[in-house]
Amino acid sequence: GAVVSQHPSRVICKSGTSVKIECRSLDFQATTMFWYRQFPKKSLMLMATSNEGSKATYEQGVEKDKFLINHASLTLSTLTVTSAHPEDSSFYICSASKNTGNADTQYFGPGTRLTVL
Amino acid sequence: TQLLEQSPQFLSIQEGENLTVYCNSSSVFSSLQWYRQEPGEGPVLLVTVVTGGEVKKLKRLTFQFGDARKDSSLHITAAQPGDTGLYLCAGAKGGKLIFGQGTELSVKP
Repeated sequence: GAVVSQHPSRVICKSGTSVKIECRSLDFQATTMFWYRQFPKKSLMLMATSNEGSKATYEQGVEKDKFLINHASLTLSTLTVTSAHPEDSSFYICSASKNTGNADTQYFGPGTRLTVL
Repeated sequence: TQLLEQSPQFLSIQEGENLTVYCNSSSVFSSLQWYRQEPGEGPVLLVTVVTGGEVKKLKRLTFQFGDARKDSSLHITAAQPGDTGLYLCAGAKGGKLIFGQGTELSVKP
């Protein structure tokens, strides 16, 4: 298997503050990690693809200056929500890609529940 | 436009019944992954299918990848309350995963 962790699991912050979420692959190296956002009872929405050592690729409609992504090592990617507002409240999930022989499989972290007051 | 159509989106059944979830697309995927997610947690990988026509079994769960690698199905035999959760299919394309809408399954004892 492959284990991906996220920290923190839950964060509550005031409007206007910035929040950093960490995503780590614990037992494998991941050149590519992904950040998703999920609304209640809905599927996952890809926000950006994080590549180690290069700039992240953002999906259409996702503000790169608001959601800063850094992938400084093969086991760590961070997502910083800058100047957070209540509409940014959501469940943020990361995944790390691992080649499993004949396919690149994504393994997901446990998610981070962000609540902006 | 949803690239990967998953159905049904909601399913409520009694313990012991069988069910099938479908994922259909007009696009070809290099692989397709099925996940199960519980509230407040991240998706957990159930299976990855790669070859057209491939069938994989995981206890009471049977996964099939279509011959043309455009569709997939998940069949659960004799469902149990512990099977309750959100089931997600995701097709791999261009280095990214394209997710279906998800199937919210509730199995009542």
